[in-house]
Amino acid sequence: NAGVTQTPKFRILKIGQSMTLQCTQDMNHNYMYWYRQDPGMGLKLIYYSVGAGITDKGEVPNGYNVSRSTTEDFPLRLELAAPSQTSVYFCASSRSGQGNYGYTFGSGTRLTVV
Amino acid sequence: AQSVTQLGSHVSVSEGALVLLRCNYSSSVPPYLFWYVQYPNQGLQLLLKYTSAATLVKGINGFEAEFKKSETSFHLTKPSAHMSDAAEYFCAVSDQPGTYKYIFGTGTRLKVLA
Repeated sequence: NAGVTQTPKFRILKIGQSMTLQCTQDMNHNYMYWYRQDPGMGLKLIYYSVGAGITDKGEVPNGYNVSRSTTEDFPLRLELAAPSQTSVYFCASSRSGQGNYGYTFGSGTRLTVV
Repeated sequence: AQSVTQLGSHVSVSEGALVLLRCNYSSSVPPYLFWYVQYPNQGLQLLLKYTSAATLVKGINGFEAEFKKSETSFHLTKPSAHMSDAAEYFCAVSDQPGTYKYIFGTGTRLKVLA
């Protein structure tokens, strides 16, 4: 059981470049999330999805885009990378929308924008 | 919106000593509460959760937490620290009862001294 898989694990981008962070889960979870983690700041929600074809903004969506064409995949797109997007990005999924199951997290993507 | 506060960004304990990590939440209704652990260069792993059943919740690796409504607290404890407990710990609360978005605290890094 692979759970939530994120690729790549590390990436260095130059300012203005674009990239897609991949996230896939094999648990048939409808709910998926993207968070960024910055030192001393905890986790901030970027985007989330409640099912294929349905996405919505979280707390810090500026500079990012998402899509959800299948239940399994939830890629995060960075357009015109900026140094402020240097962070560790986590994808997560949840079995239920009731809020009581918790998340399953991927192992993260460490992104540096130079 | 609900919020969660973790007191102490860094906590050091001796091996074998009591571990106490503090979490306070703000909510006008009973929330769902979670503790996650993050080992270096890994994703977050669910440690335990409170979902309005028993107020004393037992988790993995000998950790437990007690929900105290009167104090709006959900502190994490372990009677005897082990070197392998060194990690960062995050408290999280559901954004609203019955919803699937969580608010994370800023984290507490636990150091275990030999």
